[in-house]
Amino acid sequence: GAVVSQHPSWVICKSGTSVKIECRSLDFQATTMFWYRQFPKQSLMLMATSNEGSKATYEQGVEKDKFLINHASLTLSTLTVTSAHPEDSSFYICSARDPRQGGSTEAFFGQGTRLTVV
Amino acid sequence: GNSVTQMEGPVTLSEEAFLTINCTYTATGYPSLFWYVQYPGEGLQLLLKATKADDKGSNKGFEATYRKETTSFHLEKGSVQVSDSAVYFCALANSGAGSYQLTFGKGTKLSVIP
Repeated sequence: GAVVSQHPSWVICKSGTSVKIECRSLDFQATTMFWYRQFPKQSLMLMATSNEGSKATYEQGVEKDKFLINHASLTLSTLTVTSAHPEDSSFYICSARDPRQGGSTEAFFGQGTRLTVV
Repeated sequence: GNSVTQMEGPVTLSEEAFLTINCTYTATGYPSLFWYVQYPGEGLQLLLKATKADDKGSNKGFEATYRKETTSFHLEKGSVQVSDSAVYFCALANSGAGSYQLTFGKGTKLSVIP
């Protein structure tokens, strides 16, 4: 299957700093990528849909100025958590569909990034 | 809106035991249903899927049948192994509207002991 790589796998940062998380599709071009957040013992919640060459579409309740998403190329989307605070500590996961699979709804996921803000 | 409810864990089983993880859903239209698995330290991987009523998805000894009448997609395996220890997520996607966004259940952690 298609491969999605996410980097870093984990990061610890100080409160008030910004952190960038990268999501790459390694063997296919993804016009659309998805960013999820997972709280402990909770489900994955869709944060935003990242569209190549245009602005991301954010879900209700997600602060677009805090979670900056850039999808500058067909193989890379980045999520930047700005002015991070301890409550932003979470597991962030990206996913993408492989357009070569036509109408399939299968999504391919990165390995996730554990963010801890201290 | 869409929602997925799956049984809460953690679930601890002995090797070769029978596994069932319940999953029910609420959705408009005719969603596709999935089970994803997340092994320790890794991302989510698709385990199996079903795209229409009465379809049975199967992979690695796991099975799940799309039951529209009960809006369920329970995951089963006849004999679990230690290597099956992971977190399992039930999910749905409505592709009819052109959206491929997934709605996930909370996940069920499975631990299989020798």
